[in-house]
Amino acid sequence: QITLKESGPTLVKPTQTLTLTCSFSGFSLSTTGVGVGWIRQPPGKALEWLALIYWNDDKRYSPSLKSRLTVTRVTSKDQVVLIMTNMDPVDTATYYCAHRGIVGTTDNWGQGTLVTVSS
Amino acid sequence: DIQMTQSPSSLSASVGDRVTITCRASQGISNYLAWYQQKPGKVPQLLIYAASTLQSGVPSRFSGSGSGTDFTLTISSLQPEDVATYYCQKYNSAVWTFGQGTKVEIK
Repeated sequence: QITLKESGPTLVKPTQTLTLTCSFSGFSLSTTGVGVGWIRQPPGKALEWLALIYWNDDKRYSPSLKSRLTVTRVTSKDQVVLIMTNMDPVDTATYYCAHRGIVGTTDNWGQGTLVTVSS
Repeated sequence: DIQMTQSPSSLSASVGDRVTITCRASQGISNYLAWYQQKPGKVPQLLIYAASTLQSGVPSRFSGSGSGTDFTLTISSLQPEDVATYYCQKYNSAVWTFGQGTKVEIK
């Protein structure tokens, strides 16, 4: 059974850096074809794809946020970390991590974590 | 960047109605198109991938079609539990993109 869970701060101040951790089980990020993606959703708004890291350490980012995003893996702990710099109130959202498997897209999602950006 | 445009943005239909949602890509994406269902307050769930392949466990009243730039999600007989927002998503390249969503309500 694949499970993912996001963790990190619930409140950050403007200009601060957000670090979120996705802890997963039920799959290996070393398996060919597997990836872990990050998606966010501001309150009452649509889903927005942020980033994806593949089994071979290939990384992809949303063009509009690329300069602020870093995704990395912690292989020894079955974790993926998302770093977003220079946080702004418009970045207030629920942040999800998700498994990308053989179907080609994200088929299992974490429960999400709400991050509020406010001074 | 390829844009994904859904229509309508919202709809209201009666139980048992056939419901169709469309998603248009600004450039061709072959069949690299997925549909998600997000019920109020819940995590998005994958319904369909590769434009027309039903994810395991998804009721057969859901179906998808299309290729290239034009895609549709059809609910053959709307049920009360189908009240949700539906999103299309392209995943054909380095950049993945979601549509803006279609909210489905019961009349």
